Amino acid sequence: SQQGEEDPQALSIQEGENATMNCSYKTSINNLQWYRQNSGRGLVHLILIRSNEREKHSGRLRVTLDTSKKSSSLLITASRAADTASYFCATVQTGANNLFFGTGTRLTVIP
Amino acid sequence: DVKVTQSSRYLVKRTGEKVFLECVQDMDHENMFWYRQDPGLGLRLIYFSYDVKMKEKGDIPEGYSVSREKKERFSLILESASTNQTSMYLCASSFGGRAASGANVLTFGAGSRLTVL
Repeated sequence: SQQGEEDPQALSIQEGENATMNCSYKTSINNLQWYRQNSGRGLVHLILIRSNEREKHSGRLRVTLDTSKKSSSLLITASRAADTASYFCATVQTGANNLFFGTGTRLTVIP
Repeated sequence: DVKVTQSSRYLVKRTGEKVFLECVQDMDHENMFWYRQDPGLGLRLIYFSYDVKMKEKGDIPEGYSVSREKKERFSLILESASTNQTSMYLCASSFGGRAASGANVLTFGAGSRLTVL
């Protein structure tokens, strides 16, 4: 399966701290995406990084991609209580159109 | 504001009932997807469609069927609901069609939580 795996499964931090989540996957990819899900809701796209990119920024988000290790990380800087959610990585396999999702990291930011 | 709308947020059905989950998108997207989400298992792809009247099986199609008669609408059908189909169902759409290079970014609906008793 192409499904990614996030690590850790759950993370609890204080407001203002940085949060780092990791994603590993198994086969070659076209791109890797990160999504956020608030409790009981649908997923919202955060950021996409292509296989030929190594780092990407969007506001307080920083994503890195290491294709040699088949891994990615999502860093949220200066976390806020509103960042409390589950975060999923999703990979698009080379030559395919479908996204394969990991099992997610549940982030809790304590005010 | 672009949207993917799922017709029901919460449904409760009996074992053996036929269940329809409807999804409509207003973004003129070619691709539409149905996922189910279960604790500890993440999102698993049930079926997807690249175009009207086209459908392809995902990872877990057993017990499900789909219908895409119009570009904006993608329906998930449980012919005879079973308790193991109790889950959160998520519909999503994206641009691209079959020939897309893979840069698909999904727009999700709010989800339909189905309980089968």
